[in-house]
Amino acid sequence: SYVLTQPPSLSVAPGSTARISCGGDNIGTKSVHWYQQKAGQAPVSVIYYDNVRPSGIPERFSASNSGNTATLTIARVEAGDEADYYCQVWDTKNDNCVFGSGTTVTVL
Amino acid sequence: QVHLAESGGGLVKPGGSLRLSCATSGFTFSDYYMNWIRQAPGKGLEWLSYISSRDNLVSYADSVRGRLTISRDNAKNSLYLQMENLRAEDTAVYYCATSPTHAGHFDFWGQGTLVTVSS
Repeated sequence: SYVLTQPPSLSVAPGSTARISCGGDNIGTKSVHWYQQKAGQAPVSVIYYDNVRPSGIPERFSASNSGNTATLTIARVEAGDEADYYCQVWDTKNDNCVFGSGTTVTVL
Repeated sequence: QVHLAESGGGLVKPGGSLRLSCATSGFTFSDYYMNWIRQAPGKGLEWLSYISSRDNLVSYADSVRGRLTISRDNAKNSLYLQMENLRAEDTAVYYCATSPTHAGHFDFWGQGTLVTVSS
């Protein structure tokens, strides 16, 4: 089955840029979606179809997808961005959804 | 606005059964694929199943196929998950989530319902 690999954690200073990677075999040929999950809350979509922001998501959130790596970028990080972030794709071979293992972003 | 509310979670013994419900409002339920996704304590997200918007096409994760059954009632704007032969590793928060298309993203989520499988 298809596997997505994310770094377990990332620490960033306020005002800096966070880049969260999501690795997968030829992931650049797939549509990648990203979710933010704050402590004790349900996940929220922050990017879909590689780089589309849902309404209400700040422009500071962007993403790219090429080759074997997709990346979620959070510019000008704020304390409120502290959360777990998950990438997600669809494995069309078995019609199943696949989530990455998640990255915990800590704002120093 | 869009609202999804799961219910039916609770404590169940190993080998037992449980039926989860997801009541929805604020959108045209029959236009959306619906999904169940779970999260074990301290763990990541695990997709379980989807059901198509109108023709009841379904798909399940290998880890739960044969023990879980997804269904929906478009007249009641509701989604269901029947769970059989529950195991300790099924302990998790169970979320329902919408998808505007097949194999797409999950644009709206409920707050989840906790299922605990323990003797």
